[in-house]
Amino acid sequence: AQSVTQLDSQVPVFEEAPVELRCNYSSSVSVYLFWYVQYPNQGLQLLLKYLSGSTLVKGINGFEAEFNKSQTSFHLRKPSVHISDTAEYFCASMKTSYDKVIFGPGTSLSVIP
Amino acid sequence: NAGVTQTPKFRVLKTGQSMTLLCAQDMNHEYMYWYRQDPGMGLRLIHYSVGEGTTAKGEVPDGYNVSRLKKQNFLLGLESAAPSQTSVYFCASSYWGVNYGYTFGSGTRLTVV
Repeated sequence: AQSVTQLDSQVPVFEEAPVELRCNYSSSVSVYLFWYVQYPNQGLQLLLKYLSGSTLVKGINGFEAEFNKSQTSFHLRKPSVHISDTAEYFCASMKTSYDKVIFGPGTSLSVIP
Repeated sequence: NAGVTQTPKFRVLKTGQSMTLLCAQDMNHEYMYWYRQDPGMGLRLIHYSVGEGTTAKGEVPDGYNVSRLKKQNFLLGLESAAPSQTSVYFCASSYWGVNYGYTFGSGTRLTVV
């Protein structure tokens, strides 16, 4: 069965430091991958997506993610975080283009002033 | 430019009471979804719809019913609320296919006492 694992439930990081949020997926077939962000008391917003092509994907707010097929990973990175990046981040996958999205358990990013 | 609107935003129910959560989208999306979000468990799909007049079960459908009588509306019903249904409920909608991701509402916080 398709699944998404987020290895860290909580990640504290100081302001202006780099951050990496880890995501691994399990799929024996082609996969589409997403990162969503949820700010406090809000719904989820699409941050970036990997559908095909270049393995480095750039999203909104300076975030990027790299698709690594051999390691079945799709880690999210930002070189310098801001207080406003404090939020819950969800990795998600789809097995086919018309399948349902499967969400990981989420990683809570806390940016410390 | 409303996107996905959920009503109500907050509700407290007594065990055994019933209620309906309303989701409305103005983007002409074919697909609509109901998720519940619980701490440490990410988002779990309750029911979904691939078009007007259609519904299907998701990962955790027990205790919930849904209806999609109009394309823009997706209703989630709880016939006899239980404390285990205390959660934050999110509605989402999407176009057919993978290119656009999901658009989420801002959530309904339901407490069953």
